[in-house]
Amino acid sequence: EAGVAQSPRYKIIEKRQSVAFWCNPISGHATLYWYQQILGQGPKLLIQFQNNGVVDDSQLPKDRFSAERLKGVDSTLKIQPAKLEDSAVYLCASSASDTQYFGPGTRLTVL
Amino acid sequence: QKEVEQDPGPLSVPEGAIVSLNCTYSNSAFQYFMWYRQYSRKGPELLMYTYSSGNKEDGRFTAQVDKSSKYISLFIRDSQPSDSATYLCAMSAPGNTGKLIFGQGTTLQVKP
Repeated sequence: EAGVAQSPRYKIIEKRQSVAFWCNPISGHATLYWYQQILGQGPKLLIQFQNNGVVDDSQLPKDRFSAERLKGVDSTLKIQPAKLEDSAVYLCASSASDTQYFGPGTRLTVL
Repeated sequence: QKEVEQDPGPLSVPEGAIVSLNCTYSNSAFQYFMWYRQYSRKGPELLMYTYSSGNKEDGRFTAQVDKSSKYISLFIRDSQPSDSATYLCAMSAPGNTGKLIFGQGTTLQVKP
């Protein structure tokens, strides 16, 4: 069974630029999560989808972050404009029940 | 106060040692407790999952939950250099859409 795929793996941008991350969950997993993991910290949930509907986006900075999950499969997370404090690893996870399976993450550096 | 507290370490032990990793939490609504292992530049992978007080064993790993003290532990027996990683505790509450609250993570190094 293929795992959660994410791209790109690494991205370096300058502040005020925009960036987008892509996630392909495990086939058949209805729930998809985006987490932000700042260096030295645990992952923090940004947004959760159930199929293509948003379940929880309470910690998503909506003035600059947006996410969508078209057709209830792949998802994209966008940051526009980026700030220095957005430097982090962005993890995508998916689940069919209680267990969340994580992708390798996209490491974002904002200069 | 953070909902989940975890000592970040780093923790360095010799090969073969018993390792104890711990988390405390403040939200008594948490009912599901997990330990994830995260290797450098990789995503977290689930090691242990439990939802009741007491011990759960899986090979060299034992997860312990004490809900009365709001304290969970992960024990690693006969530690190996391949166990060198960051260990994250995570927990969630029923009816909370599966949202996980993670600890900061403890970095473990097992020296040969």
